Order: sequence, then structure tokens, then C-alpha cells
Amino acid sequence: AAGVIQSPRHLIKEKRETATLKCYPIPRHDTVYWYQQGPGQDPQFLISFYEKMQSDKGSIPDRFSAQQFSDYHSELNMSSLELGDSALYFCASSPRDRGKVQYFGPGTRLTVT
Amino acid sequence: GQSLEQPSEVTAVEGAIVQINCTYQTSGFYGLSWYQQHDGGAPTFLSYNALDGLEETGRFSSFLSRSDSYGYLLLQELQMKDSASYFCAANNAGNMLTFGGGTRLMVKP
Repeated sequence: AAGVIQSPRHLIKEKRETATLKCYPIPRHDTVYWYQQGPGQDPQFLISFYEKMQSDKGSIPDRFSAQQFSDYHSELNMSSLELGDSALYFCASSPRDRGKVQYFGPGTRLTVT
Repeated sequence: GQSLEQPSEVTAVEGAIVQINCTYQTSGFYGLSWYQQHDGGAPTFLSYNALDGLEETGRFSSFLSRSDSYGYLLLQELQMKDSASYFCAANNAGNMLTFGGGTRLMVKP
């Protein structure tokens, strides 16, 4: 069965650079969630989209922005990167009518040097 | 805001039963989810409780008491592959998840 696809899987950037993370949800899933997980930490909710509209907003810095496109894939744009942004970034998707279950992608490991 | 508390670490032997507790203080609470995460892996959905009571899925069961703001995950017939971190998470209306700190389960032979 198809799963959530995230790219790239690993990314190394320097401070003050920008990064774009991509997420391709499971086919027919219309809701996408982004989470940030630091080393040894729990996942922190950043933002979610339903039918290309922002649904919920969590602890997402102003330096970050995200959107969901017409094909339901989503991109997380991160600017002015800081060392503290180094983390695993997970995207999850769900169908709206069964949204209690979120299917997580493998994550993008971002390292800021 | 929401906060969820769970033990940081639990150790058990193969074949045993282990219970991971979770207490929460939340606003806009819709239900309690449980996710499993192996080191370096993605969280994987295990169970969800919207109503009080027990939900059973194979070797795993989850319980919720809304009046006590409390839930637990019960793992039976433990196997070595169950060694992982287990997170409780509160769902809001939009199914945004707020995770607890995670419980690291170590299963020993």
C-alpha cells in the first residue's frame, strides 16, 4: 500500500539559509499535518491543511510557512535557519472522515550547521 | 493549551503484560490516541479512544476515563519487537495531535 512520501530524507543547511521540505500524502487523503521532533523529544505540531486551506496552527515560527497544493502535496518552507531548527520533520496525512488516524511519513532529518 | 504526562521509561520481560499510563490537562479534548515509534522511525498509530472504556486491538488495548482525565495503553504477551517509545496524544476537533513526552519501553528476554 502507498505510504506518505517525504523528500528529501536528509538535508544539511547552514545558519541563515532556507530549506523546503516536501510531503506527498497517501492517495485520497485530503488532510496534511506537519510535526517537528527534536532529539529525545516528542513530536510538536506545526501546522495542518484540509482541502488546501490552513486548518490548525501550532508552534510554528514566523520564519516558517507552508501550503497545500491542488494535488494535495504540501511544502514546508523554512527561512533564516537557526541551529535549533535541527530536527526530524514529519508529515502525516489522513482522510477527513477518518482523521483520528494519522499516517506518518518517514520524516526529513534537517541538520543546520 | 494541553499537557500530557506519562512515565519516561518502563522495563518488562518477554511474555509479560505492561501498562503505560497517561494523564492529561486539556482544552478542546476530543479523544486520546496512542502511537508507537521505534528509534529513527516514524510514529505509527496504535489506538484511539473517544469514549470512556476499553478498546482492544490484538495484543494492544487502550482505556480512557474522561472524568479522571486518564488513559492507559496495555500491551500483552510482550515481544522483543515491542521495544520502542509509546506516545499518548490528545486529539482536538481538527485532529491536531498534542503528544505526551513518550514512554520508552524496554523488553528484556
